[in-house]
Amino acid sequence: GAGVSQSPSNKVTEKGKDVELRCDPISGHTALYWYRQSLGQGLEFLIYFQGNSAPDKSGLPSDRFSAERTGGSVSTLTIQRTQQEDSAVYLCASGPNPGQGQYFGPGTRLTVT
Amino acid sequence: QKEVEQDPGPLSVPEGAIVSLNCTYSNSAFQYFMWYRQYSRKGPELLMYTYSSGNKEDGRFTAQVDKSSKYISLFIRDSQPSDSATYLCALAKGGYSTLTFGKGTMLLVSP
Repeated sequence: GAGVSQSPSNKVTEKGKDVELRCDPISGHTALYWYRQSLGQGLEFLIYFQGNSAPDKSGLPSDRFSAERTGGSVSTLTIQRTQQEDSAVYLCASGPNPGQGQYFGPGTRLTVT
Repeated sequence: QKEVEQDPGPLSVPEGAIVSLNCTYSNSAFQYFMWYRQYSRKGPELLMYTYSSGNKEDGRFTAQVDKSSKYISLFIRDSQPSDSATYLCALAKGGYSTLTFGKGTMLLVSP
């Protein structure tokens, strides 16, 4: 079946602009996660959705970051007033049941110039 | 002390070798253990998951968990050049909880 998809695959934006990153999870997966991976850094958790609610958003680095999920499916991560330190690969993952792993999309590579 | 420690490598081996990749962790609350493989400029790919101490085998891959020592391993038998990638361990505390990742070990398998 289809895996997790993300769009765009690459995004170059100017400092100060807003960006939206999209994630389409695997059909039927109720859990959805956003992570960030920077050069030399590990995978950093951002936010977790169960259905349309976000019980854990503790990883969002600042109030410039927000995310929503609609219809228990598609999720959008929005970064307002982008900064150069926001440059990273943003990865989305979805999962079916506890302890059975999370399945990642290919990521969106964000470059802020 | 970081919650999850993983040697970044690179680990270079000849084709056909047995590879051992390891992570240690400090928090006994971790109950679920996973290994991911990540090729350059791709998303991580789930290889193995387990939630109990002991071994779990899948083809050329064996995941080993020792909760008493807080030590997990991934063994790759008959390694191939296509196994060259970064391997990440990931741990969860249960439920739908988020994953805590190691920094990853880069593996290079030469023909």
